[in-house]
Amino acid sequence: AQTVTQSQPEMSVQEAETVTLSCTYDTSESDYYLFWYKQPPSRQMILVIRQEAYKQQNATENRFSVNFQKAAKSFSLKISDSQLGDAAMYFCAYRSYQLEDSNYQLIWGAGTKLIIKP
Amino acid sequence: DTAVSQTPKYLVTQMGNDKSIKCEQNLGHDTMYWYKQDSKKFLKIMFSYNNKELIINETVPNRFSPKSPDKAHLNLHINSLELGDSAVYFCASSLPSWREGGTDTQYFGPGTRLTVL
Repeated sequence: AQTVTQSQPEMSVQEAETVTLSCTYDTSESDYYLFWYKQPPSRQMILVIRQEAYKQQNATENRFSVNFQKAAKSFSLKISDSQLGDAAMYFCAYRSYQLEDSNYQLIWGAGTKLIIKP
Repeated sequence: DTAVSQTPKYLVTQMGNDKSIKCEQNLGHDTMYWYKQDSKKFLKIMFSYNNKELIINETVPNRFSPKSPDKAHLNLHINSLELGDSAVYFCASSLPSWREGGTDTQYFGPGTRLTVL
């Protein structure tokens, strides 16, 4: 069974600095998706970034980028120029890529709380 | 404009009561989900519906019953509420990547905070 591990329960960063949140996963599959979601105090779950495992290029969304290391099964999230609004819980998630199977389940990490220091 | 909506956002009730949470999505997605998020923020999948058929049913008590009148709605009914049911419940939806326009990304509703007294 697949698992997702976020080893940092909490991280803090100075405003305008860069921070990296780690995520590792365990799978025997070769095709899958990886996601980072953000949950601010408002509790809304917001998609930050999505990566397809067959793509070599790391996904990027404005100040958010990932370092996807498939062989190492690592999927870290880098936030550049941190802003106060980035303060939130960040969840890493895995989904297998199965054309026929109807199992659409996401496997979730435990989350990392990101604190932004003004 | 709301993509995935849930009602109510807050629900406070007594032990033993029966309650429902409604979810609607206007994204044209095929699959809808219910998650439970406990006080430690851990997300647990409860149910998933694909074209109105249950495809995931994790080990949740049978007091919880999902009902999908159509593929845009997935309601959660809870019987005989217990203290341990207090949590935030999220609805989500997605469209598989093998469907045109699908990306397998799950989009979430705002959550319903359920408090059982």
